Amino acid sequence: DAGVTQSPTHLIKTRGQQVTLRCSPKSGHDTVSWYQQALGQGPQFIFQYYEEEERQRGNFPDRFSGHQFPNYSSELNVNALLLGDSALYLCASSYNGQGHQPQHFGDGTRLSIL
Amino acid sequence: QKEVEQNSGPLSVPEGAIASLNCTYSDRVSQSFFWYRQYSGKSPELIMSIYSNGDKEDGRFTAQLNKASQYVSLLIRDSQPSDSATYLCAVYSGVGTSYDKVIFGPGTSLSVIP
Repeated sequence: DAGVTQSPTHLIKTRGQQVTLRCSPKSGHDTVSWYQQALGQGPQFIFQYYEEEERQRGNFPDRFSGHQFPNYSSELNVNALLLGDSALYLCASSYNGQGHQPQHFGDGTRLSIL
Repeated sequence: QKEVEQNSGPLSVPEGAIASLNCTYSDRVSQSFFWYRQYSGKSPELIMSIYSNGDKEDGRFTAQLNKASQYVSLLIRDSQPSDSATYLCAVYSGVGTSYDKVIFGPGTSLSVIP
């Protein structure tokens, strides 16, 4: 049973560039949430996708955007990268879009901005 | 602003002792509570979910929920060095079919000393 998979595992970019991160949910899951985790902090909610639509968004600027595909996989796009965007980006999947269902996390993408 | 707070630690306990991790939350209508374990450089791993007042046991782990006090805790019995990690408390406030986001606390770092 495949778990949540994310790619790439590591990425180095420079300020002003754009980046796309990818996530495939756990088998049987249809909901994908994205989180940003800075060093020493808890994950911060970016947004959630369910039925190919952004269901809710956290306190992140419009530079952060996403998409969900018919097969439930998802992308996170970040434009005009800033040094402060350096973090671990986590994708979590769950079933049926309800937050009371436990989420399962992928291994994350470590993004470094130079 | 809904908040989840945890003792920042680090919390150090000797091997074989009971580790007690605490979490408080601000939203009185919160319904679902989760504990995740995160090893350094890894992604969060679900340990337990709890939805009703009282205790829930799973092996060496016991989650305790008191909605009146807006407090949830995690006890780890017979602590092992392999339990050394950061423990994240997560809270979901959505009711019924309305969706809210899952909010994570900052985490508590636990160190089990052999």
